[in-house]
Amino acid sequence: EVQLWESGGGLVQPGGSLRLSCAASGFTFRNYAMNWVRQAPGKGLEWVSGISGSGDSTYADSVKGRFTISRDNSKNTVYLQTNSLRAEDTAIYYCAKPPDVYNNYFDYWGQGTLVTVSS
Amino acid sequence: DIQMTQSPSTLSASVGDRVTITCRASQSISRLLAWYQQKPGKAPKLLIYKASTLETGVPSRFSGSGSGTEFTLTISSLQPDDFATYYCQQFNTFSRTFGQGTKVDI
Repeated sequence: EVQLWESGGGLVQPGGSLRLSCAASGFTFRNYAMNWVRQAPGKGLEWVSGISGSGDSTYADSVKGRFTISRDNSKNTVYLQTNSLRAEDTAIYYCAKPPDVYNNYFDYWGQGTLVTVSS
Repeated sequence: DIQMTQSPSTLSASVGDRVTITCRASQSISRLLAWYQQKPGKAPKLLIYKASTLETGVPSRFSGSGSGTEFTLTISSLQPDDFATYYCQQFNTFSRTFGQGTKVDI
């Protein structure tokens, strides 16, 4: 059974940093791209970043230069380093897995971790 | 970036109603579109991919259609469990974008 478990969220001041983690199980992790999708309170879904199995990364314009995605295939974990955080980064951050290497929709999601940026 | 626009934003319906949600892309995305259902406090759930393919385990009352820039999600007979928010997502480009969502309520 595929499972994704995010952690690392919390309350941080504007300008601060957090590292989010997503631990995966139930599939051959190194073979799949992994993604982060966020949802601000009461708002819609926003794709944030993705990383291929080999480590190629892409970012939404809203986070480019501030967030860094990485992965450790030996630990079946993907990370999102979030720097220079702003109030508008407040959201639930979900880890999401695509069904295969060819398609970038998401068949499995974690339960999310809440990031609150506030002074 | 490709923009995705859903309509309506909110839809009031009753059990048994036929419901249709539209999603429009700012440029052609072929059939590279997915639909998700999200309930409060829960992660999104994949319903349909490649515009019209039903994900395993999703009831057959859900269906999708369209190609290019215009797509629809149809619920043939709304059930109590279907009251939720629905999102479309394009995956034609590396920048995967979602529609703003359609809330289906009573």
